[in-house]
Amino acid sequence: DTAVSQTPKYLVTQMGNDKSIKCEQNLGHDTMYWYKQDSKKFLKIMFSYNNKELIINETVPNRFSPKSPDKAHLNLHINSLELGDSAVYFCASSQEGYGYTFGSGTRLTVV
Amino acid sequence: AQTVTQSQPEMSVQEAETVTLSCTYDTSESDYYLFWYKQPPSRQMILVIRQEAYKQQNATENRFSVNFQKAAKSFSLKISDSQLGDAAMYFCALINSGYALNFGKGTSLLVTP
Repeated sequence: DTAVSQTPKYLVTQMGNDKSIKCEQNLGHDTMYWYKQDSKKFLKIMFSYNNKELIINETVPNRFSPKSPDKAHLNLHINSLELGDSAVYFCASSQEGYGYTFGSGTRLTVV
Repeated sequence: AQTVTQSQPEMSVQEAETVTLSCTYDTSESDYYLFWYKQPPSRQMILVIRQEAYKQQNATENRFSVNFQKAAKSFSLKISDSQLGDAAMYFCALINSGYALNFGKGTSLLVTP
């Protein structure tokens, strides 16, 4: 019954690897997001999709590529992982005017 | 451009007491929404309270209430009768049309018995 679910919850990987994080929402929301929370807890928007269309693309290395196969799914693929990519990544969804519903986050650790 | 500023990195309150967390923001838009989110150690982001900018009445949710001062661009959160379970990071956030939710840097709230 989870509204926004992301997998995996934890991801430990070596530098240079490629990894994906999956996100699904069952709320019927039109817009989905990826946020990055750094070690100081600061939350920063990375990408936003509305009905499978990319609408926000912040200054993010092009090693990060979001993909939205349908409006209920937004995945994040990261190529050539670097130490600085270690963070918690949150998926979220929303309908305009209301708060965002967040997934439980994926803690990515690059070693 | 829009910015959200939380000037208190840490706050402490005794159980059953009241605490106020500060937030100021800047936006050139007249229509926007403000939020407070709670992030406990479980890291789940939980919506605490929501305020529409066009509404003058301050939002309340049980023990949580806001003091929304639109002219001053201030949006503080008051937690009454604090409980141990209120201990968490609290984030103030702003959104207006066409943008994503923009967060402040957070305030860590410690609740002592």
